[in-house]
Amino acid sequence: DVKVTQSSRYLVKRTGEKVFLECVQDMDHENMFWYRQDPGLGLRLIYFSYDVKMKEKGDIPEGYSVSREKKERFSLILESASTNQTSMYLCASSLCQVTGSDTEAFFGQGTRLTVV
Amino acid sequence: KNEVEQSPQNLTAQEGEFITINCSYSVGISALHWLQQHPGGGIVSLFMLSSGKKKHGRLIATINIQEKHSSLHITASHPRDSAVYICAVIMNRDDKIIFGKGTRLHILP
Repeated sequence: DVKVTQSSRYLVKRTGEKVFLECVQDMDHENMFWYRQDPGLGLRLIYFSYDVKMKEKGDIPEGYSVSREKKERFSLILESASTNQTSMYLCASSLCQVTGSDTEAFFGQGTRLTVV
Repeated sequence: KNEVEQSPQNLTAQEGEFITINCSYSVGISALHWLQQHPGGGIVSLFMLSSGKKKHGRLIATINIQEKHSSLHITASHPRDSAVYICAVIMNRDDKIIFGKGTRLHILP
């Protein structure tokens, strides 16, 4: 019954590597979000997307990019991973409120990324 | 100023105690979630609320839209309830999800 799937639970990457974090949802949701979670700072919005090919910067987009080529998939890209990007990354999705009455959000399990 | 505030930040209680965690928000919302995260674990949605009250087992969540406040209650708490509980709101102006910083709950046996 998994609705939002993140491709990996744990990842270890080297500094300078290009890293792809994948998120797939099977609910035909328009909205998709990427957050990172850090001790004392909580969950902060990196990027979000309201539809295919659309992307918007969140509160902390520096060092990240995203791709939304298909409605069900929202990828977070670390062009050149750095140690300060070691974190837990969370994906979420929801219906657009204009088109749907159900505003419930669904959350992935999270990906714990360690950059060494 | 954080748009979603949770209290307390940390809570330690004895097994069996009644637990209350609070969430206040300052923005217009369409829904509110209570989430649970065990140490080293993923995030699980416990409840989604847009009004009133929901109950699931020993967990009860309430929301007061006029006062912009929600509470999560745990009855007959158990050590396995030890986790971080996070309040998340869906903003009605732009659908963004904003999270509180979480309440770390520790239930002692």
